[in-house]
Amino acid sequence: GAVVSQHPSWVICKSGTSVKIECRSLDFQATTMFWYRQFPKQSLMLMATSNEGSKATYEQGVEKDKFLINHASLTLSTLTVTSAHPEDSSFYICSAPVTGLQETQYFGPGTRLLVL
Amino acid sequence: SQQGEEDPQALSIQEGENATMNCSYKTSINNLQWYRQNSGRGLVHLILIRSNEREKHSGRLRVTLDTSKKSSSLLITASRAADTASYFCAIIQGAQKLVFGQGTRLTINP
Repeated sequence: GAVVSQHPSWVICKSGTSVKIECRSLDFQATTMFWYRQFPKQSLMLMATSNEGSKATYEQGVEKDKFLINHASLTLSTLTVTSAHPEDSSFYICSAPVTGLQETQYFGPGTRLLVL
Repeated sequence: SQQGEEDPQALSIQEGENATMNCSYKTSINNLQWYRQNSGRGLVHLILIRSNEREKHSGRLRVTLDTSKKSSSLLITASRAADTASYFCAIIQGAQKLVFGQGTRLTINP
């Protein structure tokens, strides 16, 4: 079946640095991808909708200048956490709608970010 | 904003027993979905039930939907250790955006 991959699977960085997370659809094209954030033992919170060839749409309360999203191709979306701080430490997950069944989504395995 | 509320938040049962998780939501829906998340991993789609359906089965999974009560339940029969995971209900808001419930952490004890 269709697969969504994320890279890296985990990253540790120093406070103030920027971190880029990639989300790829491996055998299908995705004009839309979604980025979620999940804190320990909590649910997923949608951060933004990534649109191929246009600007991302951010959810209320999500700083677009801090979480930069680029959907440069039909198989790749990137999330860059700029000037990361310890409070940005979280589990970041991307997803893409299922081809032919847009109501469901394939999820990537997630990226665990730890900011020291 | 989170639309779904799930209960229980955590459930621990013995292998072979049935596990039931409940989900409530606030808005009108076209469908409701259930996903599973193994610890530290992404989500896997389990089942989708449409608003005009009352019950749906998939293997050992049984999902019910009561739109008058805005609630759904997920039943896992004959549980196995491999079923240990978090289970989330989700509804769609706007264009394809999934909104998740708080989740139920299910532990199956051998």
